Amino acid sequence: RKEVEQDPGPFNVPEGATVAFNCTYSNSASQSFFWYRQDCRKEPKLLMSVYSSGNEDGRFTAQLNRASQYISLLIRDSKLSDSATYLCVVNRRGADGLTFGKGTHLIIQP
Amino acid sequence: GAGVSQSPSNKVTEKGKDVELRCDPISGHTALYWYRQSLGQGLEFLIYFQGNSAPDKSGLPSDRFSAERTGGSVSTLTIQRTQQEDSAVYLCASSLQGAQPQHFGDGTRLSIL
Repeated sequence: RKEVEQDPGPFNVPEGATVAFNCTYSNSASQSFFWYRQDCRKEPKLLMSVYSSGNEDGRFTAQLNRASQYISLLIRDSKLSDSATYLCVVNRRGADGLTFGKGTHLIIQP
Repeated sequence: GAGVSQSPSNKVTEKGKDVELRCDPISGHTALYWYRQSLGQGLEFLIYFQGNSAPDKSGLPSDRFSAERTGGSVSTLTIQRTQQEDSAVYLCASSLQGAQPQHFGDGTRLSIL
């Protein structure tokens, strides 16, 4: 099983809609979780950390389910500028570094 | 500067040549990471430094790849006898400590002819 798995998409969503995608991780001892965003031909940028109790940042809500080992990202009132690849990130097994999923490609359509 | 700085931003070289990529992390960040990303693919972890030591070299694809970090700051990634499959964007990231959010540089786009 891969350390971090994501549906690659693409998710084609009309502007203004709500979209959600999940990520599963294999290391039950993982402690740190993040969502990163990567635009085409650009470097990844931190979108938000994911906390056990769930957290919200504007239109973005992240949830963590430790029992099922998955993380979710919800985007409300989607904008054209939300089009990007969203990377799920957890800390690596047996090391301090982070493991990146391959990303979910989101396309917001006008 | 305030962010992670990588150089060169672009490098084109002939197959068989050696290349050296440089990363200057955010000041005070003890953890430094190298990744590579081929077109349309996910991030491939290469190596992780904590200070000057590399506790995890598991991602280096072959013995042609090596990396060092001196003074707990700048790191260089060296690829010897480059092959066409080495063509990719090489990204460096740093964080205050391991397992903390990583901040990425703009990357070096390496093209092997």
